Amino acid sequence: AQTVTQSQPEMSVQEAETVTLSCTYDTSESDYYLFWYKQPPSRQMILVIRQEAYKQQNATENRFSVNFQKAAKSFSLKISDSQLGDAAMYFCAYRSARAYSSGSARQLTFGSGTQLTVLP
Amino acid sequence: DAGVIQSPRHEVTEMGQEVTLRCKPISGHDYLFWYRQTMMRGLELLIYFNNNVPIDDSGMPEDRFSAKMPNASFSTLKIQPSEPRDSAVYFCASRFDRLSGNTIYFGEGSWLTVV
Repeated sequence: AQTVTQSQPEMSVQEAETVTLSCTYDTSESDYYLFWYKQPPSRQMILVIRQEAYKQQNATENRFSVNFQKAAKSFSLKISDSQLGDAAMYFCAYRSARAYSSGSARQLTFGSGTQLTVLP
Repeated sequence: DAGVIQSPRHEVTEMGQEVTLRCKPISGHDYLFWYRQTMMRGLELLIYFNNNVPIDDSGMPEDRFSAKMPNASFSTLKIQPSEPRDSAVYFCASRFDRLSGNTIYFGEGSWLTVV
């Protein structure tokens, strides 16, 4: 079974600075998807960014970018120019892309989350 | 698009009562998921449907939990009877298998407290 590890339960960053959240995963598969979700105090789960494992280019969405290291099974999230609204719990998630995977193995596996505080 | 819509947003109920959580997935999505989030266990997949058919309910904690999807635009998660340990945030999510890079879209969650 796949596992996702977020080793930083809490992080803080000064407003306008850059912060990197770490995520590692364990899988024997070569084809999969990785995601970062943001969960603000409202508890809604909001997709931040997505990466397909077959793509070598790191995904970027405005101030959010990832450093995807497939060999190292690492998928970190970089937030540039941090804003107060970025304060939230961030979850890293994995999903198999294998067409012949069955059941829940094809669905999202989440890390335990990193609570990000943005300091004014 | 309105996104995934869940109701109620918050519910407080007494132990032993029946609880019904509702979900409307994004129109056109063919997968629907129910997740539960607690401090102790994080995010857990309870059950998911494909084209209204339950595919895997191995995450459903026990027989007190049941889920239905009578049509493509509506699903319910029912707990009967409820217990204090069922207190959690319950998320409904949906996706379309061949679109949006297999991204799953979550609703805002239903915050359940059982006293």
